[in-house]
Amino acid sequence: QSVLTQPPSASGTPGQRVTISCSGSSSNIGKNSVNWYQQLPGTAPKLLIYSNYQRPSGVPDRFSGSKSGTSVSLAISGLQSEDEADYYCAAWDDSLDGPVFGGGTKLTVL
Amino acid sequence: DVQLVESGGGLVQPGGSLKLSCAASGFTFSSYTMQWVRQAPGKGLEFVSAISGNGDDTYYANSVRGRFTISRDNSKNTLYLQMGSLRAEDMAIYYCARELRDWGQGTLVTVSS
Repeated sequence: QSVLTQPPSASGTPGQRVTISCSGSSSNIGKNSVNWYQQLPGTAPKLLIYSNYQRPSGVPDRFSGSKSGTSVSLAISGLQSEDEADYYCAAWDDSLDGPVFGGGTKLTVL
Repeated sequence: DVQLVESGGGLVQPGGSLKLSCAASGFTFSSYTMQWVRQAPGKGLEFVSAISGNGDDTYYANSVRGRFTISRDNSKNTLYLQMGSLRAEDMAIYYCARELRDWGQGTLVTVSS
């Protein structure tokens, strides 16, 4: 059971916009910033979004993050086949004194 | 470019020990907190341990506290994870990460008799 809650799966067709949610509590998302990671099959996680909505250099602006209270969302617009991957949210948890992750969302491009 | 290369994974019997290493390059190693994060087969990511840049502060997940020890050698730009009393549930790919921004490719630890 992960501390942060994500839907196990999401899907969309090419060109569509999809969103992935991540909910937490006042000890993690409510107080601290959130990162999103993309993990392509058989590879290491890659930072996609940091500090709730900032994109590292090289990440397309099709990926965006937002935050409201104790929940965050990752939006992917103009969906492409290469976006098919697992997506994870993460945040520092003040109660656990360490980072916590969501269980991951498997995105399928139909 | 930041590079993180893990090594030391392998097959170990339950109750055994293993030491992982992570060789870092492309940045000032001693300036950054480093983490170990693991991923069991077919499962999600789980924080294991972290260490501050100078090594003075360490953090552990409850699941490994008392069995694993994180350390670093800033003169060698290398991060370590000494794992002991290994259990079947410790079997995973172990990634080292720089402040959870840059990640290595991982090293597989298999715990089995």
